[in-house]
Amino acid sequence: NAGVMQNPRHLVRRRGQEARLRCSPMKGHSHVYWYRQLPEEGLKFMVYLQKENIIDESGMPKERFSAEFPKEGPSILRIQQVVRGDSAAYFCASSPRVLAGGSNEQYFGPGTRLTVT
Amino acid sequence: QKEVEQNSGPLSVPEGAIASLNCTYSDRGSQSFFWYRQYSGKSPELIMSIYSNGDKEDGRFTAQLNKASQYVSLLIRDSQPSDSATYLCAGYTGGFKTIFGAGTRLFVKA
Repeated sequence: NAGVMQNPRHLVRRRGQEARLRCSPMKGHSHVYWYRQLPEEGLKFMVYLQKENIIDESGMPKERFSAEFPKEGPSILRIQQVVRGDSAAYFCASSPRVLAGGSNEQYFGPGTRLTVT
Repeated sequence: QKEVEQNSGPLSVPEGAIASLNCTYSDRGSQSFFWYRQYSGKSPELIMSIYSNGDKEDGRFTAQLNKASQYVSLLIRDSQPSDSATYLCAGYTGGFKTIFGAGTRLFVKA
């Protein structure tokens, strides 16, 4: 009964390089969320996706950041031309469905710690 | 802007005491609420969900929701040093987005 999987767990990139973060949701979950967390700060919503659709990307920076959740394979968060300010923990969460009554329990993966040097 | 507010703490309680964590939210349309526990360097772990007014108990944890006053609380009975962590309150607004508070750090002293 695997949980949410993320890889890599740690990623070091030099300024200007690209970072690709992967997330495989729990079995049976079709909703994926990406969050960013800076040290000693709360979780900041970035994007919500379903298979092949971006539902809400209101938390994504307008430039350099993109996300996808293809029909097959994991969800990808892509950061182009990374800068030092991108250094953070990036968490993926998944949920099985959004119920009409408003239930939206999300289960988190272990996170990817991105360090930009 | 829809917000979830928490006292950042730290909240320090002796072992065996009741820890009380509080959270307020601004969006009256929020439908359901969640408490997550996050140990340092780890990912958030869902520990309680509550959808209707009143109390919900699960082991040593009790979540309380008061929609009229727009607050949510989490009580931890018989606190243990292993409960020392940051507790995140989150509210689901129904607009596909869950809003997280900044978290309250709890220290349980042995």
